[in-house]
Amino acid sequence: DIVLTQSPDSLAVSLGETATIKCKSSQSIFFSSTGFNYLAWFQQKAGQPPKLLIYWASIRESGVPDRFSGSGSETDFTLTINNLQAEDVAFYYCQQYYSSPFTFGQGTKLEIE
Amino acid sequence: HVQLQESGPGLVKPSGTLSLRCAVSGDSISSNNWWSWVRQSPGKGLEWIGEIFHSGNSNYNPSFKGRVTISVDKDKNQLSLRLNSVTAADTAVYYCARRLKTFDTWGQGTRVTVSS
Repeated sequence: DIVLTQSPDSLAVSLGETATIKCKSSQSIFFSSTGFNYLAWFQQKAGQPPKLLIYWASIRESGVPDRFSGSGSETDFTLTINNLQAEDVAFYYCQQYYSSPFTFGQGTKLEIE
Repeated sequence: HVQLQESGPGLVKPSGTLSLRCAVSGDSISSNNWWSWVRQSPGKGLEWIGEIFHSGNSNYNPSFKGRVTISVDKDKNQLSLRLNSVTAADTAVYYCARRLKTFDTWGQGTRVTVSS
């Protein structure tokens, strides 16, 4: 199974500042024949299901604010949240869909400082 | 607007069978999507259980060691999950989710507790 390790486990950021979350894969999730990294980012607020934010490592899902951006390739990926808003308080998860079984990172808790 | 709604017993006895349904609205279960079950527990985080295509093709997480069956009912536009021989470790919130590339739509989830 592909193991995804997120860092940090939790972070506190001031309103209006930038939050950065890392995700490291135990193997490359870049598929050369398609040119895509098979990585997604999800946001989960308390009492709600996960919500897809980013897919193909850097493509924002429809309706997701452009404050959210994803980057990285092969084994190292980053979710960046610019101009942090109060409504961004949540857990964030990376997830690979390169190979079955699909796996998730352990999650990062984002709070307001 | 696609919606998924899970339903089923909230309490299952150890060694029993967990059975859940997921009603799909706003999309056809026969569309070009895979339909998954994902669970979330404090101990194991988010865990993909398995998925099915309307043709009946299915993929399961080997960690469930053959305990799981996912099926579709095209007439009712729903999918189902059966998990046998449950233990306390199967206590979790269970979600159904639609997947084309990855999980783009999720149900609200249903909490299942395994306890006598």
